[in-house]
Amino acid sequence: AQKITQTQPGMFVQEKEAVTLDCTYDTSDQSYGLFWYKQPSSGEMIFLIYQGSYDEQNATEGRYSLNFQKARKSANLVISASQLGDSAMYFCATSNSGGSNYKLTFGKGTLLTVNP
Amino acid sequence: NAGVTQTPKFQVLKTGQSMTLQCAQDMNHEYMSWYRQDPGMGLRLIHYSVGAGITDQGEVPNGYNVSRSTTEDFPLRLLSAAPSQTSVYFCASSYYGVGNEQFFGPGTRLTVL
Repeated sequence: AQKITQTQPGMFVQEKEAVTLDCTYDTSDQSYGLFWYKQPSSGEMIFLIYQGSYDEQNATEGRYSLNFQKARKSANLVISASQLGDSAMYFCATSNSGGSNYKLTFGKGTLLTVNP
Repeated sequence: NAGVTQTPKFQVLKTGQSMTLQCAQDMNHEYMSWYRQDPGMGLRLIHYSVGAGITDQGEVPNGYNVSRSTTEDFPLRLLSAAPSQTSVYFCASSYYGVGNEQFFGPGTRLTVL
C-alpha cells in the first residue's frame, strides 16, 4: 500500500517570498508518479505539477517546481514569489499505476497562508 | 467543453435512503474516478474506471456502487446511506497515459442525518 505524509498542517509565507511544502511518500513500486494539487477555499481541485519516478530532472511549471529526491522518497513543492492567490490547501499525491493518475493516494494536505 | 460536471451540488439524506451522484465528462477521457474528502483528510479513492464497462474498487468502496456503461458517465450509487458517508464527493477524469492532468468536478456535498 502506498502512503503520503505531509508533516506541515499549516504554513505561513510573506508575499513575494518562496515557500517549500514537504511531502514524503512510501511505495514499493518501481514505477510511480507524484502529483501536487491545490484546493482554494472555493473547493475545486487544481492540478499543479507532475513528476515521474524515472524523470531525472525536477519538474517545473511556472512558479511551481518539484524538488524530487528519490533516495529520500521526498517530493517537495517549491512555490517561488508567493502571491496572495496562492493561499490554499495543497495536496501531494502518488499513483502506483505507472504514473497514470486514475488511482491516486493523497496526503492530508498543508494549508498555506500568504501574508501581504 | 463543460469539463467534468457533477449533480447535485448539495444533498441531504436520511439514514437508510439510497441515491445516485451523477458525474459526466465531455472530454472523451478513458479514466474516471470517485473520491471522498472528509475534514482534515486528503481525498480517498472510492471506485475507478479505466474505460466503459470496466470498474474497480479503490481504498474505501464499502457502501458504494458504480457502473460505466458509456465513456461519458460514471454515476456513484449509495445503497443505504449512513452518517459515516457524510462527505464531499469528487469525480475526476483524465486521458489514458502517464502524468496527465486529472480534471476534477466541482464536488457534491452530502449530509446524511
